[in-house]
Amino acid sequence: IAGITQAPTSQILAAGRRMTLRCTQDMRHNAMYWYRQDLGLGLRLIHYSNTAGTTGKGEVPDGYSVSRANTDDFPLTLASAVPSQTSVYFCASSVLAGGTDTQYFGPGTRLTVL
Amino acid sequence: GQNIDQPTEMTATEGAIVQINCTYQTSGFNGLFWYQQHAGEAPTFLSYNVLDGLEEKGRFSSFLSRSKGYSYLLLKELQMKDSASYLCALLGSNYQLIWGAGTKLIIKP
Repeated sequence: IAGITQAPTSQILAAGRRMTLRCTQDMRHNAMYWYRQDLGLGLRLIHYSNTAGTTGKGEVPDGYSVSRANTDDFPLTLASAVPSQTSVYFCASSVLAGGTDTQYFGPGTRLTVL
Repeated sequence: GQNIDQPTEMTATEGAIVQINCTYQTSGFNGLFWYQQHAGEAPTFLSYNVLDGLEEKGRFSSFLSRSKGYSYLLLKELQMKDSASYLCALLGSNYQLIWGAGTKLIIKP
């Protein structure tokens, strides 16, 4: 059982390019989340999905989009990357939506936008 | 609004006890989480408190006082592998987690 996988592990991207970060879970969890983690700041929620077919905006959604076509996959797309999107991105999932359930995190994607 | 505060860094000695504090302000409280994050790795769940009091899990315990907007994580019998960042996360009125910046715990032999 892999749990949650993310790809790529790291990426250097030119500003203005489009990029999709992939996230897949095999635990059949209903809810999935995308966070970014920057030095000196707490994890910040970008987007979330309570169940397949639904998505919602978190604290810092601008410049990012997500889709949830099925239970397992929750890709995060940067339409036109900017240097301020340089960060470590974590995908997470939980059995239940609503925030009270334990979240399980993927290994992260380190993204650098130049 | 909601905000959460915890110390940036703490140092402790192997075998000792350390208490990591977390204070918060929120208009609606629905629980408080503690996660552990080793450098370069993903956060992993430690505890969840929704009622006042102490929850004990082996060497780790977490305490909550809702009236004081305060929680702490207590680590006993410290081991070198406990060197990590400890993240406090508040579940507020909108049921989204608000995360503290984390406390980096350095364990010295």
